[in-house]
Amino acid sequence: KQEVTQIPAALSVPEGENLVLNCSFTDSAIYNLQWFRQDPGKGLTSLLLIQSSQREQTSGRLNASLDKSSGRSTLYIAASQPGDSATYLCAVASMSQFYFGTGTSLTVIP
Amino acid sequence: DGGITQSPKYLFRKEGQNVTLSCEQNLNHDAMYWYRQDPGQGLRLIYYSQIVNDFQKGDIAEGYSVSREKKESFPLTVTSAQKNPTAFYLCASSTSRVNEQFFGPGTRLTVL
Repeated sequence: KQEVTQIPAALSVPEGENLVLNCSFTDSAIYNLQWFRQDPGKGLTSLLLIQSSQREQTSGRLNASLDKSSGRSTLYIAASQPGDSATYLCAVASMSQFYFGTGTSLTVIP
Repeated sequence: DGGITQSPKYLFRKEGQNVTLSCEQNLNHDAMYWYRQDPGQGLRLIYYSQIVNDFQKGDIAEGYSVSREKKESFPLTVTSAQKNPTAFYLCASSTSRVNEQFFGPGTRLTVL
């Protein structure tokens, strides 16, 4: 069974800093990998989707990379802002369903 | 304005009651999903449906039931057989089984 891990569980950074969130998975046979943002008490907002044939995707200050062979993905956030404070989850599409990590809770300090 | 709606936002259940959570989408997506989210745990799949009148159990289907009579709607019933139903429930949809997922705002269910 696919297992998805996100480390660290929590991260606190000063405003303006660049940061990297990590996602690892155990089975490299994936269809795609999706990064989400979740605000407290809210649903998940899709940030980026990387197909298995792609190496990275970019949207504004966000850049996600995928290395299937090593079972890793990173989400890079440039010039962090207090509004970026949220929980970030990754999900892997594998074996006909999605598997979610437990998320990284990010706090950006003004 | 396309999206996924869930109602109610908050729901309270007494012991022994069945309750139904609503999920509607106007994205014309074929696949729909129900997840449960508990503190400190990843999302866990309850049920999913790829087409109308067809659905499959996920990892934690016991104590839950669903129907898919219309493409736009995928209601979830939490039955009295579910022993620990207090959780945040999320509905999602996608164009097909493993394509990009989009989520509703969630329903928080509390057992009194």
